[in-house]
Amino acid sequence: NAGVTQTPKFQVLKTGQSMTLQCAQDMNHEYMSWYRQDPGMGLRLIHYSVGAGITDQGEVPNGYNVSRSTTEDFPLRLLSAAPSQTSVYFCASTKWGQSSGNTIYFGEGSWLTVV
Amino acid sequence: GNSVTQMEGPVTLSEEAFLTINCTYTATGYPSLFWYVQYPGEGLQLLLKATKADDKGSNKGFEATYRKETTSFHLEKGSVQVSDSAVYFCALYPGLTGGGNKLTFGTGTQLKVEL
Repeated sequence: NAGVTQTPKFQVLKTGQSMTLQCAQDMNHEYMSWYRQDPGMGLRLIHYSVGAGITDQGEVPNGYNVSRSTTEDFPLRLLSAAPSQTSVYFCASTKWGQSSGNTIYFGEGSWLTVV
Repeated sequence: GNSVTQMEGPVTLSEEAFLTINCTYTATGYPSLFWYVQYPGEGLQLLLKATKADDKGSNKGFEATYRKETTSFHLEKGSVQVSDSAVYFCALYPGLTGGGNKLTFGTGTQLKVEL
């Protein structure tokens, strides 16, 4: 009953460091995505994937990379962290190809601070 | 493109007051509509959803009716409690007929309920 699991929950990085936020789901969902949440801006889509081996950019992809080598995992990489990437990051997943009423499941969030 | 507009917060109410949080949307096709709730320090949780016109989603005393004629999905609760204090997000999910699998969020409305 794990659902969507994100790690780490909290991280402090120095400017220029790289890191990977992990996301895993055990529901066999094809669609996975990463959002960032900033005050007054709601959630903005960074990258998404509709299946293993397929990724695409969202609204705010710059500075982030993703890969989808398996159905279960969708890591988000910060290549060279910048203070503007200080945010709360959410991973989400859902079934692809079925009705539009499918529930989207979210991870618990990763609080990232870049100093 | 798709968009969701929510009333700005914060909304401050006394316990047992009536709550309305307005949400309107722009979309092609027949999207599904959602309300998510985020309690302090936590991730997003699905509160309720509606997948077609005139559907009413309900959960924990909250209700929202999918109004296609006014493109609205307002969230209501008859008597709020202090424990309802959270940020509420309206979201739209277009599905395959509406331009892909991207979930579009409103900017969120913070609700504060006081004794």
